[in-house]
Amino acid sequence: GQQLNQSPQSMFIQEGEDVSMNCTSSSIFNTWLWYKQEPGEGPVLLIALYKAGELTSNGRLTAQFGITRKDSFLNISASIPSDVGIYFCAGQITSYGKLTFGQGTILTVHP
Amino acid sequence: ETGVTQTPRHLVMGMTNKKSLKCEQHLGHNAMYWYKQSAKKPLELMFVYNFKEQTENNSVPSRFSPECPNSSHLFLHLHTLQPEDSALYLCASSQAGANTEAFFGQGTRLTVV
Repeated sequence: GQQLNQSPQSMFIQEGEDVSMNCTSSSIFNTWLWYKQEPGEGPVLLIALYKAGELTSNGRLTAQFGITRKDSFLNISASIPSDVGIYFCAGQITSYGKLTFGQGTILTVHP
Repeated sequence: ETGVTQTPRHLVMGMTNKKSLKCEQHLGHNAMYWYKQSAKKPLELMFVYNFKEQTENNSVPSRFSPECPNSSHLFLHLHTLQPEDSALYLCASSQAGANTEAFFGQGTRLTVV
């Protein structure tokens, strides 16, 4: 089956720093999604990407759909303590909305 | 509030018990999913329902039995589970088709003792 390699697995940063994480795959995806999950909660959708090369922002978050359609990155600028959580990428190839998830990036922000 | 509600939020059950997890979505979606999230593992897709029909079973053991009576409700019936089945069980919904976004419930934290 399809696999997504997400990196880094974890990040420990100071408040105010920028963050970058990415996902790569051996398969081509038609959609890339980025989710954030906080403790005890389900994943919440942050950004959705539908076209190769697309660059989309949501506040301090920016994500891009790679030109090859096999990768995506997420940047967080000027991190704040509430950015703490697990960030997941997810890709979709076919119909029926089935998503393949990356392993997640655990983000810790020190005040 | 994502429009997808799961109950209960927490469940502790013995290996001989029978219990059910419930999911309800108020988004008008026609596809619903069960995912399992274990520590240090990616989310694992368990079941997919499109227009109330099961379209995918990802080699899930028969002690997990899904039910989708209508497009808004999804159940996961549990019986004779094992301790390694302890995990966060997440329900999600979306519109069926490509380029769709899945919305998740808050999950049910299941502990099998």
